[in-house]
Amino acid sequence: GESVGLHLPTLSVQEGDNSIINCAYSNSASDYFIWYKQESGKGPQFIIDIRSNMDKRQGQRVTVLLNKTVKHLSLQIAATQPGDSAVYFCAEPPSGTYKYIFGTGTRLKVLA
Amino acid sequence: NAGVTQTPKFRVLKTGQSMTLLCAQDMNHEYMYWYRQDPGMGLRLIHYSVGEGTTAKGEVPDGYNVSRLKKQNFLLGLESAAPSQTSVYFCASSLSRPLNQPQHFGDGTRLSIL
Repeated sequence: GESVGLHLPTLSVQEGDNSIINCAYSNSASDYFIWYKQESGKGPQFIIDIRSNMDKRQGQRVTVLLNKTVKHLSLQIAATQPGDSAVYFCAEPPSGTYKYIFGTGTRLKVLA
Repeated sequence: NAGVTQTPKFRVLKTGQSMTLLCAQDMNHEYMYWYRQDPGMGLRLIHYSVGEGTTAKGEVPDGYNVSRLKKQNFLLGLESAAPSQTSVYFCASSLSRPLNQPQHFGDGTRLSIL
């Protein structure tokens, strides 16, 4: 069945280092992916998205990479800051349906 | 710009009580969703609406009802609360069909059923 999942439940990164959060998907027909950030006590916040006709997309300090060959996407955060501490998860709206598929998330901990 | 607003933010209920959670969005979005989020399980879709006057079941609809009488509001009702419904509930909206459109979320309602 379709699934969007994450490789690691927790990632600890030293402040100032780069962070890489990974996500695997199973539906090869998926054409759009979203990354969300969820801080404690808050709702998911849209970070960046990417369409399947792209391999890479950059935002402010964040980059999403899409590898369609192995059905994998990653979120890279440059110069990780304490404010980046949160749960990050990817999401996929399957083609032809209204329902998004969310991963359970990776918790990013930024060490001072 | 408020985005998606959920009320209340917290609530404690006794088993068997009923209540309604309110979601309001000011972005003129067509689509609205209700999710529950439990530890280790990610977001699960309860019900959704693709426009004013429409509702549809998601993955876990049992024990919940919804209404979308106005485009900007999406109500989630618990008719007879059960401890298994203890969760954090999130409302979301999107401009149109999910294809190539992100959802925008509220900050959640934390509900405890005793």
